[in-house]
Amino acid sequence: AQTVTQSQPEMSVQEAETVTLSCTYDTSESDYYLFWYKQPPSRQMILVIRQEAYKQQNATENRFSVNFQKAAKSFSLKISDSQLGDAAMYFCAYRSARLGVFQGAQKLVFGQGTRLTINP
Amino acid sequence: DAGVIQSPRHEVTEMGQEVTLRCKPISGHNSLFWYRQTMMRGLELLIYFNNNVPIDDSGMPEDRFSAKMPNASFSTLKIQPSEPRDSAVYFCASRLGAINEQFFGPGTRLTVL
Repeated sequence: AQTVTQSQPEMSVQEAETVTLSCTYDTSESDYYLFWYKQPPSRQMILVIRQEAYKQQNATENRFSVNFQKAAKSFSLKISDSQLGDAAMYFCAYRSARLGVFQGAQKLVFGQGTRLTINP
Repeated sequence: DAGVIQSPRHEVTEMGQEVTLRCKPISGHNSLFWYRQTMMRGLELLIYFNNNVPIDDSGMPEDRFSAKMPNASFSTLKIQPSEPRDSAVYFCASRLGAINEQFFGPGTRLTVL
C-alpha cells in the first residue's frame, strides 16, 4: 500500500519570504500522480498543484512550484513571496495512474498535513 | 458553475441516532468519493463510486456506515447508529474521467454527543 509522509507538522514564514514544505511517499508503482492541496480555515480542500510522475519537469503554478525527485520519492512544495492568504493546512497526496475501476485505483492517499503560518 | 454541494454543513446529534449526509456532485462528473477527516487518522477514503456503482468500499469502518448513489446527481452517507467516535468532517468529492483532479465539497462537520 502507498503511504505519504509529511514530517513537518507546523511551519512559519515571514510575509514575502519563501518557504518549502516537505513530502515523501512510498510506492512500488512507476506511474502515478502527486498533488498538493490547501485547506484554509473554511475547510475547503483546494488543489494547489499537480505533478505527473512520468514528467521530469517540475510543475509550477504562479508562486507555487514543486521539487519532484522520483528516485528519492520526494515531492516538496515551494511557496515564493508568501502572502497572508497562504496561511492554511497543506496536504500532500498520492494517486495511482493505473486506469480502470478497481479497488484502490482511484483514491487519494493523503499525508498528515503541515500547518503553515504567515507572519506579517 | 456550482461546485460539489454538501448538506448539512454542520450536524450535531446524540449517540444512537441515525445521521444522513448528502452530496450533489458537479454535473457531468462520473466518479464520486466520500472521505473522512479526523485529527487522529487524517483524511481517509471511505467509499468510491464510478457511474453510480460502488467500486471500493474498503474504507467504510463498519456495518453502521452505508452509502448509496441512486443517480448521477445525488449520494448519501448514512451512519446508523451513530457513536461519538464518528465525530469528524466528512467530505464528498467528484471527478470527470480517470485522470482528472477531484473537486471537493465544503464538508460536513459531524458531532456525535
